[in-house]
Amino acid sequence: DIQMTQSPHSLSASLGETVSIECLASEGISNYLAWYQQKPGKSPQLLIYYASSLQDGVPSRFSGSGSGTQYSLKISNMQPEDEGVYYCQQGYKYPPTFGGGTKLELK
Amino acid sequence: EVQLVESGGGLVQPGRSLKLSCLASGFTFSNYGMNWIRQAPGKGLEWVASISSSSSYIYYADTVKGRFTISRDNAKNTLYLQMTSLRSEDTALYYCARQGYNNQFAYWGQGTLVTVSS
Repeated sequence: DIQMTQSPHSLSASLGETVSIECLASEGISNYLAWYQQKPGKSPQLLIYYASSLQDGVPSRFSGSGSGTQYSLKISNMQPEDEGVYYCQQGYKYPPTFGGGTKLELK
Repeated sequence: EVQLVESGGGLVQPGRSLKLSCLASGFTFSNYGMNWIRQAPGKGLEWVASISSSSSYIYYADTVKGRFTISRDNAKNTLYLQMTSLRSEDTALYYCARQGYNNQFAYWGQGTLVTVSS
């Protein structure tokens, strides 16, 4: 199975700050990488697919980048509603696997 | 509007069975692959099973292979997960999710809670 390693495990950001979350795959995944946001008590929501494509309705302050085994999610201009847990997920090979999650809080 | 509504969760004893359902609406169900994904209390996300649009391709996580069966009824717009020989480690919130273009999960239901305990 492809292992997905996220970092950091948690972070806090001030209003308006830019933050980045990293995701490392145990082997190349050809940009088959998605990012999800999960708020407390809610279902995960797809933010980014194919490493850098923004899902419809997702604010443009979210962006994704990367290639090969290394990917990142950037959140520009941190807002209160951006608090939550973020997961990466590879869809290159079965089984689909998720990273362990990054908890983002507003400072 | 895409809607996925899971049902069938509950408290069940170890070794017993349970069947989950996911009713889909707002899209042509028969055109999309579907998945079950679970989340143990306070933990991360774990993919459980996938089924293609016509049920031709089915995949399972090793942790549930041989115990769980995914199926679908396209006439009823419904996805199922038959769970047998349940274990305490199967305790989780079970989500159904619609497949996206690159094997991502574009839409999720609200989840149904399965608790395996004596």
